Amino acid sequence: EVQLVESGGGLVQPGRSMKLSCAASGFTFNNYDMAWVCQAPKKGLEWVATISYDGSSTYYRDSVKGRFTISRDNAKSTLYLQMDSLRSEDTATYYCARHEGELGWFAYWGQGTLVTVSS
Amino acid sequence: DIQMTQSPSSMSASLGDTVTITCLASQDIGNYLSWYQQKPGKSPKLMIYGATNLEDGVPSRFSGSRSGSDYSLTINSLGYDDEGIYHCHQYYEYPYTFGAGTKLELK
Repeated sequence: EVQLVESGGGLVQPGRSMKLSCAASGFTFNNYDMAWVCQAPKKGLEWVATISYDGSSTYYRDSVKGRFTISRDNAKSTLYLQMDSLRSEDTATYYCARHEGELGWFAYWGQGTLVTVSS
Repeated sequence: DIQMTQSPSSMSASLGDTVTITCLASQDIGNYLSWYQQKPGKSPKLMIYGATNLEDGVPSRFSGSRSGSDYSLTINSLGYDDEGIYHCHQYYEYPYTFGAGTKLELK
């Protein structure tokens, strides 16, 4: 059974950093591109970043470029999101998701971890 | 960025009804369109991919279609378990974008 389990969320002050993790199991992690998708409270879904199966390519939405870094450790079957210079508008539930096909749709999602940026 | 204009934003329907939710893409996205159902406090669940392909395990009451830049999700024989928020998503190009969501409630 495919499982994606996020961790690392919580309350953080504006301008500080936070690192999210997503532990994957039930599939061959290094065969799949992975992504982070966020959802602000009572709002819609927003794609944040994607990393290719081997980590060689990364893609970001403009609002997080230069502040967030997506990475992966295929030996540990774990996806990461390093979030620096956090802003109040980054407050959201962050989901990790597995791409299907080549950088395609998302068939599997984690349960999400809430990041609250507030002083 | 590709804008996905989803409508309606909310709707109420009765058991057994047929409902349709639509997303209009601001530019050509081919069939690179998926639909997700989200229940309160839960993560999204894939329903349709490639505009018309039903994900394994999803009831055949759900279907996806395309007419030009308009993409639709249709639910036949509506049941209580179909309540939730439905999101469309284009994965044609980065940045990937989602529609604003449609909240479906049963009367």
